[in-house]
Amino acid sequence: SQQGEEDPQALSIQEGENATMNCSYKTSINNLQWYRQNSGRGLVHLILIRSNEREKHSGRLRVTLDTSKKSSSLLITASRAADTASYFCATHSGGSNYKLTFGKGTLLTVNP
Amino acid sequence: GAGVSQTPSNKVTEKGKYVELRCDPISGHTALYWYRQSLGQGPEFLIYFQGTGAADDSGLPNDRFFAVRPEGSVSTLKIQRTERGDSAVYLCASSLSGEETQYFGPGTRLLVL
Repeated sequence: SQQGEEDPQALSIQEGENATMNCSYKTSINNLQWYRQNSGRGLVHLILIRSNEREKHSGRLRVTLDTSKKSSSLLITASRAADTASYFCATHSGGSNYKLTFGKGTLLTVNP
Repeated sequence: GAGVSQTPSNKVTEKGKYVELRCDPISGHTALYWYRQSLGQGPEFLIYFQGTGAADDSGLPNDRFFAVRPEGSVSTLKIQRTERGDSAVYLCASSLSGEETQYFGPGTRLLVL
C-alpha cells in the first residue's frame, strides 16, 4: 500500500525556476526520504530528514518536514534540464528501519 | 566502488513461464531489498534480507514469488507460472546493516505476454 501522496502529480517549469513538490503521509514516521528516478529505472537517494528535524539542505535541495501536518516539501532551486525526473518521497514507519513505503511520485519536467 | 547491479535489464516471457531475476548488491552491504514498481506508481516493498535470511517477506504477493540469498551477497528473485499482472520493474536495493539509506539498482523490466 502507498503511504505517501505527492503533489502535484506533474510539474513543468522553465530552467532557472524553482520547483516545489509536496508529500503527505498517513502514519507516524521515523524519517522521510526523497528519491529521484530517471526514465522509470533506478532510484537515487537525495536526502533524508528525521522526524525531529524541521528543515534540511543539500546543495540546491531544501526539504522541510511538518510532523503535525504529516507533510514534507522538496524545493529544488535554480532548476536545470538535468533535473527532469520523477521524485518520490518514502518513509520508514511503524518501527521499521528497513521497509520503505513510497508515494506515487511527482513527474518534474524542466524545459531548457 | 560499483553500485547495485541487476540482470537482466529487460526480460520478456510468456504467461506461465518461470523467470529468475538477479541482484548483486554493493560489496559489504548485509541488507538487501526487493521492490516492485508498476507503471505510474511508486515502488512497493516485496522482501528484505539481513545476511542470508529473509527477515521480512510480507510484501511477496503470493506463493509464486520466492527469493533467495544463499551466501549473503547475490540474491535471486524467482517467479513461477508468470502472469500478465506480474509485468513491472523489479528493483533491488542494498544498505549497510542498520543504515536507513538504501542504494538502488537500475531494475529489471519484466514483460509477461
